[in-house]
Amino acid sequence: EDQVTQSPEALRLQEGESSSLNCSYTVSGLRGLFWYRQDPGKGPEFLFTLYSAGEEKEKERLKATLTKKESFLHITAPKPEDSATYLCAVHPDQGGSEKLVFGKGTKLTVNP
Amino acid sequence: SQTIHQWPATLVQPVGSPLSLECTVEGTSNPNLYWYRQAAGRGLQLLFYSVGIGQISSEVPQNLSASRPQDRQFILSSKKLLLSDSGFYLCAWSVSETQYFGPGTRLLVL
Repeated sequence: EDQVTQSPEALRLQEGESSSLNCSYTVSGLRGLFWYRQDPGKGPEFLFTLYSAGEEKEKERLKATLTKKESFLHITAPKPEDSATYLCAVHPDQGGSEKLVFGKGTKLTVNP
Repeated sequence: SQTIHQWPATLVQPVGSPLSLECTVEGTSNPNLYWYRQAAGRGLQLLFYSVGIGQISSEVPQNLSASRPQDRQFILSSKKLLLSDSGFYLCAWSVSETQYFGPGTRLLVL
């Protein structure tokens, strides 16, 4: 069964304190891995798509990396406005299915 | 640029009442469309997806249904709501691998 596990469930950082969020996945084949940011009461906002091991993508203070078993979302010198829940999802390679499998998310709080 | 709309933003309905949530996408043609539900403490659960007008795939058997009457319109319906239907409903679209989400509808069934 395809699975996505995100850790930690919650993370508190001080402003400027860099850290990483983890997304471990088990799939029969990977068409893509996605990171989203979700603010309370809002829909998820797309951040990155990664397709193959070794791939990295950056956006402002965020950098996503991918291996064959996991992905990391690195946050460098975070600011309070980076506080949100970060969701990871995988698109398994299952004969044309469009289903994404989501993790439960990591709730990030950045204190000033 | 592409925009996705959902309405209503919030809905409070009694048990046994009907439901109709609407989603429309602007700025793209022939998108794949999706309905998800997000419950507290759980990941997003795919309910339905559509690759074209009148083509609906159901991922989870339940008392909900979906329809796609136009290329960029996706509707989620129920004839009789259950308490367990409460949650945050999200519509999404894609034309390639990446799915883009709408603002969501918060549904509370009492």
